[in-house]
Order: sequence, then structure tokens, then C-alpha cells
Amino acid sequence: DQQVKQNSPSLSVQEGRISILNCDYTNSMFDYFLWYKKYPAEGPTFLISISSIKDKNEDGRFTVFLNKSAKHLSLHIVPSQPGDSAVYFCAASAGSNYQLIWGAGTKLIIKP
Amino acid sequence: DADVTQTPRNRITKTGKRIMLECSQTKGHDRMYWYRQDPGLGLRLIYYSFDVKDINKGEISDGYSVSRQAQAKFSLSLESAIPNQTALYFCATGDSKETQYFGPGTRLLVL
Repeated sequence: DQQVKQNSPSLSVQEGRISILNCDYTNSMFDYFLWYKKYPAEGPTFLISISSIKDKNEDGRFTVFLNKSAKHLSLHIVPSQPGDSAVYFCAASAGSNYQLIWGAGTKLIIKP
Repeated sequence: DADVTQTPRNRITKTGKRIMLECSQTKGHDRMYWYRQDPGLGLRLIYYSFDVKDINKGEISDGYSVSRQAQAKFSLSLESAIPNQTALYFCATGDSKETQYFGPGTRLLVL
């Protein structure tokens, strides 16, 4: 049973527009959420995170929104750039447990 | 130089063979992790280690073993490889739950 779900395997967005990647979770004990970005032939790299005590965290072009009641988080990228084309993973952890539970990833394609 | 290195990057082996995947890190972190990634699935944790004397099973440890030879080295072994262990394997290191630093991955094919 997947505790972290990314229901869109892929997403195509025009350069300059907003990219919105979604993630749903089922475990109400999760209190920390992260987004990682992965290019081909490389390992994932940390992008942005959010604690459950917040509903928004922003870092440059990247903003993560958390809706605890819906058990949903989203990553917004504005404006989208060609270098943003990658696979994006959502991950979550609970309490002091340093184990991350990962979604299956969404492949983002930025069209010129 | 990369902070987390994995060797080999690619490996083809036969069913029943023992193989070892190695990981080294230069970040000075105590925590190290081994994950596998399968198509259509996220990363799944195999083993993790919080220091040289502390090793823990992850979600899918059956068929795997690990060795933490030093703070900087964490190796993963498949004692008797089977085809469903064909996957992409990642090593990671971290000092907080906010960020884990990943190696480039090892692509393993078990025939």
C-alpha cells in the first residue's frame, strides 16, 4: 500500500509557464515533506521541504504548498525553464524517524 | 569530486552469484542509506546505518546484507542474486532528515 502517491507519471509544460506537481499521502503521522529532483544517470538531489506546521515554503522559483486536511502537497515552479525537465519525487517522514517514504515520481518535460 | 561515489556504475551478473556494491562519501555524515528504485515505483529503503555500530533493516531487506566498514564506507551485498533484484541502486548519506545526498546509482541486471 503506497503511503505517498504521485498520480501523474508525466507532465508537459510550456517554457515560462507554471508547473504544478502533485503528491498525496495517507499516513497522518507524516510531519515532514520533501521534494527531490532527478536527472538521468544521476542520483536525486534535494530541492525543497516543508514541515507540517507550515502550509507554504518558498525558495526562488519553487514553492511547496501543504494541505494537511486533504493530505496533499504540491510543488509549483514559476516560471518553468528547460533545465527543470527532470523526474520529481515527493518524499515524507514521520517524527524522529529518518526514513523517507517516496512517491513514484513525476517526469516533468518543459517544452520550448 | 563527487561527495558520494558508487562502484560499479553498471553490473551484469547471473542468478546465484554473490555481488557487492560499494559506496563512499566525503561529506563526513554519520548516516548512510541504501535504496533501490524499480520502474513505476519510488525509492525503497533496503538498509540504513546511523553510525559504524548501528545498522538497521529498511522496508525491503530480505536477500540483502550490508557492511559499514568505516564512517565513509557502506557496502551492500546480494548473497545469491536473483532476477527480481534487477534494479537501480542508490546510496545516500545525510545528517538530518531534511536532506539526503545521493550517489549516481548502480544499474544492476541479474540474468
